Amino acid sequence: DAGITQSPRYKITETGRQVTLMCHQTWSHSYMFWYRQDLGHGLRLIYYSAAADITDKGEVPDGYVVSRSKTENFPLTLESATRSQTSVYFCASSGPGDLYEQYFGPGTRLTVT
Amino acid sequence: AQSVTQLDSHVSVSEGTPVLLRCNYSSSYSPSLFWYVQHPNKGLQLLLKYTSAATLVKGINGFEAEFKKSETSFHLTKPSAHMSDAAEYFCVVSNTGNQFYFGTGTSLTVIP
Repeated sequence: DAGITQSPRYKITETGRQVTLMCHQTWSHSYMFWYRQDLGHGLRLIYYSAAADITDKGEVPDGYVVSRSKTENFPLTLESATRSQTSVYFCASSGPGDLYEQYFGPGTRLTVT
Repeated sequence: AQSVTQLDSHVSVSEGTPVLLRCNYSSSYSPSLFWYVQHPNKGLQLLLKYTSAATLVKGINGFEAEFKKSETSFHLTKPSAHMSDAAEYFCVVSNTGNQFYFGTGTSLTVIP
């Protein structure tokens, strides 16, 4: 399917467990982003990637790890989940024609108990 | 440093009346500004963007926004609200294309 997809769409996990959220895009966009959405904060950038093997921190990177070995995939890993990481996570991509226009995935709702 | 302030967390309008969603920004450089819409349990969709071209920007679904540098504002308007406009709206600022700063959102309710 064309576009940007996220999996899983819903996830419940326990404190201390490792969780990986997947993001896949079919446009060969150079940039990819991970955001978290929390009430009262809007969306906040966790990490972004300008190309395969190039990643950089955003506004709230602590507790998260990313990798990008292929252009189309950008997984986000919570190495040891905490309750404060309960949130809705959105992946987005942009470029190469217009780096400023981001296309968002449907989101992953993560609950850490 | 960049930031965005959405001045209203919630706006209610009657169907067929004008919509005004307010956004003020702070940016050290000439910013690019965006409005995104999020319908319940959906991802975000770009409504319109300003990237240093015309200051009055037209977007999808009849929405417009005007960049006013002197007021550091980028308010979103629509002449006539439709029930399908009920959603959450986010104002976003960027000056690099790789770091985007979102406002806290404005929830728009449209009353029939």
